[in-house]
Amino acid sequence: QSVLTQPPSVSAAPGQKVTISCSGSNSNIETYYVSWYQQLPGTAPKLLIYENYMRPSGSPDRFSGSKSGTSATLVITGLQAGDEADYYCGTWDGSLSAHVFGTGTKVTVL
Amino acid sequence: QLQLQESGPRLVEPSETLSLTCTVSGGSIDNNNFYWAWVRQPPGKGLEWIGSVSQTVSPHYSPPLKSRATISEDAPNYQFSLKLASVTAADTAVYYCARHSHHSGYFNWGQGTLVTVSS
Repeated sequence: QSVLTQPPSVSAAPGQKVTISCSGSNSNIETYYVSWYQQLPGTAPKLLIYENYMRPSGSPDRFSGSKSGTSATLVITGLQAGDEADYYCGTWDGSLSAHVFGTGTKVTVL
Repeated sequence: QLQLQESGPRLVEPSETLSLTCTVSGGSIDNNNFYWAWVRQPPGKGLEWIGSVSQTVSPHYSPPLKSRATISEDAPNYQFSLKLASVTAADTAVYYCARHSHHSGYFNWGQGTLVTVSS
């Protein structure tokens, strides 16, 4: 049972925007950095966003992250067929003394 | 470009110990700025952190797995390893090794290896 809750699925047409939420608490998201990961089918996760909104080298600027209070958000603009994947948020939980990941969101391009 | 590669038995019998090794290439594992971790993903399910190790702090583990997991470094051989004792079918998963900064993000991942617990 994850302490970070994400919607199971979101969908939109090519070129549109999707928003993925990650809901936590004051022991995790509110206090620590949030990162986001993209997992294409059959592959390892890949870092998209770190430290709430920073993009690593190679991460397209169509992906953006933000955080407010106990929630974080990943926004994908200009949706492409290649964006179909599972997306996970992650952070540290100070109460659990553990890294935690969200429940995951499947993005479908209609 | 840092690369990580998991290796080890793909099939483990119940009650035995799962042992995996991660070999790092393209960089050193004795960099004080990074941690080396194991993350697993049961088939069709989400990601679960197992534990992390670094040069500067003792290994730390996910509370539910702490009694069964051991992670250690072998810096001269550019490797770190996972041992998970007393496995059951619930430990069947794809196991990933990864590198992360303190609380910043998991920057590098191995390709993952599916380990099945079955007799």
